[in-house]
Amino acid sequence: QKEVEQDPGPLSVPEGAIVSLNCTYSNSAFQYFMWYRQYSRKGPELLMYTYSSGNKEDGRFTAQVDKSSKYISLFIRDSQPSDSATYLCAMSYSGGGADGLTFGKGTHLIIQP
Amino acid sequence: ETGVTQSPTHLIKTRGQQVTLRCSSQSGHNTVSWYQQALGQGPQFIFQYYREEENGRGNFPPRFSGLQFPNYSSELNVNALELDDSALYLCASSSDGNNEQFFGPGTRLTVL
Repeated sequence: QKEVEQDPGPLSVPEGAIVSLNCTYSNSAFQYFMWYRQYSRKGPELLMYTYSSGNKEDGRFTAQVDKSSKYISLFIRDSQPSDSATYLCAMSYSGGGADGLTFGKGTHLIIQP
Repeated sequence: ETGVTQSPTHLIKTRGQQVTLRCSSQSGHNTVSWYQQALGQGPQFIFQYYREEENGRGNFPPRFSGLQFPNYSSELNVNALELDDSALYLCASSSDGNNEQFFGPGTRLTVL
């Protein structure tokens, strides 16, 4: 079992829909949780950064962390064709970063115009 | 504010050769992490440099080594290249070693 599981998709939704992206993880020691967006042939772009359980909202994006279920989610409201990309969840044991980020495989999202 | 830059963009090497990849961190950042991303996979942590010292390492063999310079730029060196080393190599910078990391565009390495 991998440490971080993420459905690779592709996930195809119509423009304007609410998108839900999810990751599960096995190690309860993870404390910091991130979502990155990666366009084809580009580096990942940090979208959301959260610590421990709870919700965080930034514009059209909402990140949720449920540590009791070892489950994190990213919601995208009013989805746009420009949101089409691969979305990577990432997590870390400590705030110091020396243990590196552990990533899921990424979910390929397609927003249909 | 200048973002993370990497060079070269693409590189082709043959098995057994050595390669050096370069990274300039985002303005104000003193920590650099390197990741390997194989096709269809998420990035995997290679190591992190903070104040010119390696302060964390993932599950990669010693033929993967690095340097960080006083201006916080960094190099990733890979010796004795293998076919499985073909991947996108990503550099990420952060401030004071924290894990809010910002990535560069990557260097795509092909080993033939």
